[in-house]
Amino acid sequence: AQSVTQLGSHVSVSEGALVLLRCNYSSSVPPYLFWYVQYPNQGLQLLLKYTSAATLVKGINGFEAEFKKSETSFHLTKPSAHMSDAAEYFCAVSPWGYQKVTFGTGTKLQVIP
Amino acid sequence: SQTIHQWPATLVQPVGSPLSLECTVEGTSNPNLYWYRQAAGRGLQLLFYSVGIGQISSEVPQNLSASRPQDRQFILSSKKLLLSDSGFYLCAWSVRNLLSGKKSEQFFGPGTRLTVL
Repeated sequence: AQSVTQLGSHVSVSEGALVLLRCNYSSSVPPYLFWYVQYPNQGLQLLLKYTSAATLVKGINGFEAEFKKSETSFHLTKPSAHMSDAAEYFCAVSPWGYQKVTFGTGTKLQVIP
Repeated sequence: SQTIHQWPATLVQPVGSPLSLECTVEGTSNPNLYWYRQAAGRGLQLLFYSVGIGQISSEVPQNLSASRPQDRQFILSSKKLLLSDSGFYLCAWSVRNLLSGKKSEQFFGPGTRLTVL
């Protein structure tokens, strides 16, 4: 079975500050990992994905995430927050060969001017 | 390019009334299809998924059902809505590599906001 834990349901950062959203996973087989972003009343949009290639993954809007097997983590970062980054972010895991994806409970990012 | 549609966008229904939400995908064939519900503060809950026409897997026992009458059409239904059915319903699809079993990430539709009164 697989699971995802997102630490912190709400994170606040100042505009221009580093964004760090934490995600830890558990999986009995090598995982695929994803980060999605959701703006109010919209569907989820894929930010980036890890599929066993490079451990540092770059995504859209300046976000990146690093897969650390020893820490079972896949934290999302962005060097400088913009007001437009305010949204809810979901980490997700899907073991290789499985049809289902398990999502974390989400982290709402607030960007303070 | 692939697109996914959901309708209606919003819906207000009385308790005990029926429900039918529709999801269609364009630009791909033989997708995996998924229904999720998102309730406030509870993340995404997988309700159903389908790997082909007529093939439905249910994740959570409830008063909802799903059907896949066509390759790119996925329908979520209920005979009698409950207050607890309120939420944001998301449909998603993914590509399945039939040879290796690998699949792509999931792509989400715009969602349907359901309010049961």
